[in-house]
Amino acid sequence: EPEVTQTPSHQVTQMGQEVILRCVPISNHLYFYWYRQILGQKVEFLVSFYNNEISEKSEIFDDQFSVERPDGSNFTLKIRSTKLEDSAMYFCASNLAGGIYEQYFGPGTRLTVT
Amino acid sequence: AQTVTQSQPEMSVQEAETVTLSCTYDTSENNYYLFWYKQPPSRQMILVIRQEAYKQQNATENRFSVNFQKAAKSFSLKISDSQLGDTAMYFCAFMKEGNTPLVFGKGTRLSVIA
Repeated sequence: EPEVTQTPSHQVTQMGQEVILRCVPISNHLYFYWYRQILGQKVEFLVSFYNNEISEKSEIFDDQFSVERPDGSNFTLKIRSTKLEDSAMYFCASNLAGGIYEQYFGPGTRLTVT
Repeated sequence: AQTVTQSQPEMSVQEAETVTLSCTYDTSENNYYLFWYKQPPSRQMILVIRQEAYKQQNATENRFSVNFQKAAKSFSLKISDSQLGDTAMYFCAFMKEGNTPLVFGKGTRLSVIA
């Protein structure tokens, strides 16, 4: 069964460093999302992406964040200058278009900023 | 803005028994989708069940079923014949019609006891 994959599973970085989190959505899916979950809290939406552009973003998704689909398979989230409060689990999700709205999640990347 | 409320932070159930997790939501939308996601200790987000608001019939997936009360804006999850593998965080989520972001509740931590 096709699945969303994410790399790395765990990333440790120092405050102020740039990180890139990678996702490979399910191949025939057209909509892509990033969510984050700070430990012990609920899952929060960051950004959605369709047709090579951002379709929606939350107030969390400020100028330090960016997304890109550099080729036909990868979908990346870049955090330019990490802060301690960026420590969280980051989930990528994708879904088909055309009325099938279930979002399928990847296993997540645990980001630890020290 | 839509909100999702899960009023039970933690619940426990004996193996083979039935448990119901509560979820209420607030929206002015008429067409929308509701989901239950399971998050085991691995922190993977797994779709359990979905319900379309325009359908009056409650969704069922094997041991999992929902009680969808549109007028009351209530969407509870019933797990029958609970198994140890059902131990997880359960998140209720709302999505407007279209390929839009999920809005999650804070989750209910379910423990199944042998």
